[in-house]
Amino acid sequence: AQSVSQHNHHVILSEAASLELGCNYSYGGTVNLFWYVQYPGQHLQLLLKYFSGDPLVKGIKGFEAEFIKSKFSFNLRKPSVQWSDTAEYFCAVKEYSSASKIIFGSGTRLSIRP
Amino acid sequence: DAGVIQSPRHEVTEMGQEVTLRCKPISGHDYLFWYRQTMMRGLELLIYFNNNVPIDDSGMPEDRFSAKMPNASFSTLKIQPSEPRDSAVYFCATTRGLEAFFGQGTRLTVV
Repeated sequence: AQSVSQHNHHVILSEAASLELGCNYSYGGTVNLFWYVQYPGQHLQLLLKYFSGDPLVKGIKGFEAEFIKSKFSFNLRKPSVQWSDTAEYFCAVKEYSSASKIIFGSGTRLSIRP
Repeated sequence: DAGVIQSPRHEVTEMGQEVTLRCKPISGHDYLFWYRQTMMRGLELLIYFNNNVPIDDSGMPEDRFSAKMPNASFSTLKIQPSEPRDSAVYFCATTRGLEAFFGQGTRLTVV
């Protein structure tokens, strides 16, 4: 069965530090990949997505993610985090077909020290 | 498009009472999902619909939970009877194409 693994449950960084959150999925076929962000007390919002083409995807607020097919990974990165990036981050995968659900990882809580 | 609308935003109820959560999806959606989020278990998929038909309800925790989608504009998630361990934030999400849109969630507290 499809699954999405986010190995970091809680990451604590200082402002201006670089960020990388890991995401691995288990599915051998073509997939669409997503990162969602959930700010405290809010709903999930799309941060960035990969459908095809350039495996390095740029999203909002300076975030980017790289799809490495051979590693089944889609890690999220940001070169310099801000206090306002404090949130929970969810990786998600969807099989490339119309009749499939989106599978979410368990999430990574990011805390930024001012 | 106002996005996915959920009601109520907050619900506090006594154990044993029936709770009904509501969701109005975005127009032109293709799938509708109900998720539950807790600190302990994270984001769990409960059930999802396509063309108003339930496709997979294997995530529904118990028979106390039921979900319906009587038409393309409305879905409900019902818990009867409710228990304290049902306390969580319940999200409705819909997809249009390959992107999912989430509602603001309903924070349910069962005391």
